[in-house]
Amino acid sequence: QVQLQESGPGLVKPSETLSLTCTVSGGSITSYYWSWIRQPPGKGLEWIGYIYYTGSTKYNPSLESRVTISADTSKNQFSLNLRSVTAADTAVYYCATSLASSGSLYLQHWGQGTLVMVSS
Amino acid sequence: QSVLTQPPSASGTPGQRVTISCSGSSSNIESNYVFWYQQLPGTAPKVLIYRNNQRPSGVPDRFSGTKSGTSASLAISGLRSEDEADYYCAAWDDSLGGVFGGGTKLTVL
Repeated sequence: QVQLQESGPGLVKPSETLSLTCTVSGGSITSYYWSWIRQPPGKGLEWIGYIYYTGSTKYNPSLESRVTISADTSKNQFSLNLRSVTAADTAVYYCATSLASSGSLYLQHWGQGTLVMVSS
Repeated sequence: QSVLTQPPSASGTPGQRVTISCSGSSSNIESNYVFWYQQLPGTAPKVLIYRNNQRPSGVPDRFSGTKSGTSASLAISGLRSEDEADYYCAAWDDSLGGVFGGGTKLTVL
């Protein structure tokens, strides 16, 4: 059973970079889509983007200029970098995965989520 | 404002059938698969329906999904107290990538 765990700072200062890592256990990072989704407090879900096991990426156009998703297959990890953050980026950040054959939105496995606050 | 439109709330009594709608456009729902997620309070979302109307193993057959044109619906029959949660539709948009509905809070009265 694939399990995911997000890690990273819970507090980031405005204008700095938010960096999170998702560690995958119980499965290989290959043959999957690896995605990030966020949820501002009390609000709905927002798709941030994914990295495919081939290394290709796709991002939400509203975040594309500030976001990078990368993967380290040797560590079975993938990461999210979001630059120039503001208070509007305060959210619970989830990593999630779907089988390559199922498409990127059939998000079968999720991390528990990590709250990141942007504040000075 | 979400690309996919859902009613903010829905309610029903135990045993009832409730339906949650999701309205989109030709660039998302009409041309791509629809997914439905259930989010219980304080937990990560869980997929209920994939590819418009397919249930993952372990999801009760009380949950069903339909799609027609630019709209989709999630139906929950035999409503139970444990169904009280937030429900989100999702679809791929040909221009925007992954898009979610704004979510519907289901209350079991």
